[in-house]
Amino acid sequence: QKEVEQNSGPLSVPEGAIASLNCTYSDRGSQSFFWYRQYSGKSPELIMFIYSNGDKEDGRFTAQLNKASQYVSLLIRDSQPSDSATYLCAVGRSSASKIIFGSGTRLSIRP
Amino acid sequence: ETGVTQTPRHLVMGMTNKKSLKCEQHLGHNAMYWYKQSAKKPLELMFVYNFKEQTENNSVPSRFSPECPNSSHLFLHLHTLQPEDSALYLCASSQDGTITDTQYFGPGTRLTVL
Repeated sequence: QKEVEQNSGPLSVPEGAIASLNCTYSDRGSQSFFWYRQYSGKSPELIMFIYSNGDKEDGRFTAQLNKASQYVSLLIRDSQPSDSATYLCAVGRSSASKIIFGSGTRLSIRP
Repeated sequence: ETGVTQTPRHLVMGMTNKKSLKCEQHLGHNAMYWYKQSAKKPLELMFVYNFKEQTENNSVPSRFSPECPNSSHLFLHLHTLQPEDSALYLCASSQDGTITDTQYFGPGTRLTVL
């Protein structure tokens, strides 16, 4: 089992719809959770982080964390073509004192 | 310059060459990282430096040799690489190297080993 799992996609969503990206993790003791966006040929940039169970909203983005089920998701409302990118989930494992990245989900927003 | 910078942006080298990658952060952070990103694989953490001290070596082959002369600069010295080492090498920095820190990435060096 991978430490951080994401569906590789591509996930195709029509413009204006809600894009839902999911991530599961194996270490129940994980404490911090990050979503990064990576455009093709560019480096990852942070979108959001979340530490507590529940939802965290920032503009069109909402991160959802459920520690009991060991998943974290990212919702993108009113999807725009500029949201087309690979989204990386990253999880901070206190037992290892490091952040583990998933392999990413490629999102494509079709006009 | 702002953020995290990396040079060179592209590098082609033969298997017998020696080259170095350079990373500089202008964020006042204390921790710096080297990652390897290959196609369709997760980001692989290679090395972590915290306050200039190496705190993580993720079983990286000795043909990769890191150097951190101060908290703002990080180097990755390369020698006798293999074609499978071709990848995007990303440098990142964070405030204190904890798992709740946000990591800020540089633009990367695209390395091709012939």
